[in-house]
Amino acid sequence: KAGVTQTPRYLIKTRGQQVTLSCSPISGHRSVSWYQQTPGQGLQFLFEYFSETQRNKGNFPGRFSGRQFSNSRSEMNVSTLELGDSALYLCASSLGQGGEIYGYTFGSGTRLTVV
Amino acid sequence: AQSVTQLGSRVSVSEGALVLLRCNYSSSVPPYLFWYVQYPNQGLQLLLKYTSAATLVKGINGFEAEFKKSETSFHLTKPSAHMSDAAEYFCAVISPGGYQKVTFGTGTKLQVIP
Repeated sequence: KAGVTQTPRYLIKTRGQQVTLSCSPISGHRSVSWYQQTPGQGLQFLFEYFSETQRNKGNFPGRFSGRQFSNSRSEMNVSTLELGDSALYLCASSLGQGGEIYGYTFGSGTRLTVV
Repeated sequence: AQSVTQLGSRVSVSEGALVLLRCNYSSSVPPYLFWYVQYPNQGLQLLLKYTSAATLVKGINGFEAEFKKSETSFHLTKPSAHMSDAAEYFCAVISPGGYQKVTFGTGTKLQVIP
């Protein structure tokens, strides 16, 4: 079966712009989580959605937002981009809520570069 | 609060040697524990998970990990390293109870020397 699909794979944006990243989970998975990965901070949790509702949120500013659609696809938006937002953004889906039993399946990520 | 510590940001082993990657956790309740592997420019792939069943967990690619509550550890091992094992490995912890955040360790880069 198809894995977690993230689009686009690479993205270059200018400071001050906004960006939208997309994630399509594995068919049947209803939980989608987003992570930011940088060399300095490692993997940091952004938020998790289940059944179109945000269930958990990390410690990121309000410029980072997300949503989940009825088909479980999720989008993440970052407004007013800063240089420090350059990172690999990973999406992960899980069969159940929270993912503690089943674990998460990760996509290959979107590499965002802010110039 | 939960946290996870991975000792050694870089580990080098010779091909055929034992792989041992260390992970210690802190959690107020017995947590769920995971090991993930990440190859360059890829997402994370689940190697194995501990969810309060057997304390010795076998995963993919010949890896296994043992949950030791007394030591609050979940070290990852593989008897014989292969060149294809070169990657970054992440330990992760999540406290039970629903909607808990996953906390990842800082990762350990494994180098396999031919």
